[in-house]
Amino acid sequence: GQQVMQIPQYQHVQEGEDFTTYCNSSTTLSNIQWYKQRPGGHPVFLIQLVKSGEVKKQKRLTFQFGEAKKNSSLHITATQTTDVGTYFCAGGLSNTGKLIFGQGTTLQVKP
Amino acid sequence: DGGITQSPKYLFRKEGQNVTLSCEQNLNHDAMYWYRQDPGQGLRLIYYSQIVNDFQKGDIAEGYSVSREKKESFPLTVTSAQKNPTAFYLCASKLAGGYNEQFFGPGTRLTVL
Repeated sequence: GQQVMQIPQYQHVQEGEDFTTYCNSSTTLSNIQWYKQRPGGHPVFLIQLVKSGEVKKQKRLTFQFGEAKKNSSLHITATQTTDVGTYFCAGGLSNTGKLIFGQGTTLQVKP
Repeated sequence: DGGITQSPKYLFRKEGQNVTLSCEQNLNHDAMYWYRQDPGQGLRLIYYSQIVNDFQKGDIAEGYSVSREKKESFPLTVTSAQKNPTAFYLCASKLAGGYNEQFFGPGTRLTVL
């Protein structure tokens, strides 16, 4: 079946270092969404990418959608302790109403 | 306040018992979803419903059942047939259409003893 693989599973960084998580899909996606889940919380929507090669920025966060619409990445510049949590990508499949979630990358930031 | 609620936050059941998890939303969303979250496995789709009185199986529907009699409500029953029911269960909803974000409830942590 369709899968979205996300790496790495865990990442520990020193505050101020950069962080990147990557997602790869076995099939072409219609769109990709990114969510953040704080420890003990629930996923919260961050952003959506729809167009091939699209790049979007939110302050220190940069999101990319690959040209083939099969991969995506989230890059955080100069991490802060408030960035701690698990980041999920979720790929959309046309006309299904479903999202396929990656396994998530858990980010720990040491002050 | 508009939002999506799940109750209870923590639930304990004995093995062999069915249990129903509640999910209610007042966002006027058409679509609702149930996910199961286990450590290191992300969110796996159990069931989803795009309109009232209709629902589809997700990737791991075995041992679960749902109903969608009202737009606001999408309860999930974890039956005794589910082999590993202990997990964190998340409900989500969104507006109709493929490109809308999902809003998640706070989740229910089910422990089967």
